[in-house]
Amino acid sequence: DIQMTQSPSSLSASVGDRVTITCRASQSISSYLNWYQHKPGKAPKLLIYAASSLQSGVPSRFSGSGSGTDFTLTISSLQPEDFAIYYCQQSYSTPPFTFGPGTKVDIK
Amino acid sequence: EVQLVESGGGLVQPGGSLRLSCAASGFTFSYYEMNWVRQAPGKGLEWVSYISNRGSTIHYADSVKGRFTISRDNAKNSLYLQMNGLRAEDTAVYYCARGSTAMATYCFDYWGQGALVTVSS
Repeated sequence: DIQMTQSPSSLSASVGDRVTITCRASQSISSYLNWYQHKPGKAPKLLIYAASSLQSGVPSRFSGSGSGTDFTLTISSLQPEDFAIYYCQQSYSTPPFTFGPGTKVDIK
Repeated sequence: EVQLVESGGGLVQPGGSLRLSCAASGFTFSYYEMNWVRQAPGKGLEWVSYISNRGSTIHYADSVKGRFTISRDNAKNSLYLQMNGLRAEDTAVYYCARGSTAMATYCFDYWGQGALVTVSS
């Protein structure tokens, strides 16, 4: 099975900061990489699909990049509503659809 | 508006059974693959099970294989997860998630609010 790692596991940032989260796959997954945002008590939300495509309705301050094994989620200017846990997920192989362990973004 | 509403969660003893349901609305349910994803307390997201749009293809995570059964009723716009032989480590919030292949990758584009399953004596 393909394993996913994320770094950092958590970070503290201020409103307006630029935030970068990294996701790495244990083998090449081309661009079969998605990013989700999850807030406590809420449904997870798809942000980015196919490594760099912005899901409809998601603010343009979110962006994704990468291919192969290394991927990045960037929030260009952190907003109060962005404090959450972010997960990457690979869809290269047939199930299991592996998630990364998550990166918690909280207020500095 | 796409809506996924889970029900059937609760407290169950180890070794017991529980059946989760997910009621779908706002889209043509029979066109879409569906999944269950869970989050244990203090842990990350874990994909649990997948079912194709007609139910002909099913996959499970190794952690639940042989104990959980996914099914669907397209006439009722409903997804199910029958959970038998429950263990403490199955304690989690279980999410129903719609699968989409329309975006050049397979992703979970809509999720329910989740149903809490607690396995404890």
